[in-house]
Amino acid sequence: DAKTTQPPSMDCAEGRAANLPCNHSTISGNEYVYWYRQIHSQGPQYIIHGLKNNETNEMASLIITEDRKSSTLILPHATLRDTAVYYCIVRVGDTGRRALTFGSGTRLQVQP
Amino acid sequence: EAGVTQSPTHLIKTRGQQATLRCSPISGHTSVYWYQQALGLGLQFLLWYDEGEERNRGNFPPRFSGRQFPNYSSELNVNALELEDSALYLCASSLDTGGEKTYEQYFGPGTRLTVT
Repeated sequence: DAKTTQPPSMDCAEGRAANLPCNHSTISGNEYVYWYRQIHSQGPQYIIHGLKNNETNEMASLIITEDRKSSTLILPHATLRDTAVYYCIVRVGDTGRRALTFGSGTRLQVQP
Repeated sequence: EAGVTQSPTHLIKTRGQQATLRCSPISGHTSVYWYQQALGLGLQFLLWYDEGEERNRGNFPPRFSGRQFPNYSSELNVNALELEDSALYLCASSLDTGGEKTYEQYFGPGTRLTVT
């Protein structure tokens, strides 16, 4: 699976959009971009995934660049409850291995 | 729809003892995954079970083992406990989504194991 690079921490004001970047310059054509988050001491929560098109769901939007070498997770109106560690994971969709490889992630602190 | 459940929430054991952790996947999910998150460290993949079979394991010694039952629930057993086994153990489940096989995983709240 491709390696990802994320900033270790970010701050965001409550009510503003939080834009979390992820670099995955070695991504292959059949690898998906996944985002999870982990609120303190809880299990990770699936947020969104995409292959090459931008995706949106009730939680967030995922913007993937045309060359697929980077992506941005957007939380449109951040709340205090969005304070968490956000993980960007790149992996092949249909693989016999299936394990998720979590890096260090980005610690997002939403400020009141 | 009920999420992934795990029991117990907390478990305290002594060095050398055995620990058994349990996981019930989301209804309809056939795959169960176990991860370890030691304090200050990232999540490390432990085991993957699907349809009652162990499909893959991470870089952990054989004293970490488990099984999956016919109802797809799963047990993780840790034998000969060591102090460094103290961690949050997370279970996740996934479903074959059919056309787009992306197998996103849904996590339970975890079992915090403390070895003294």
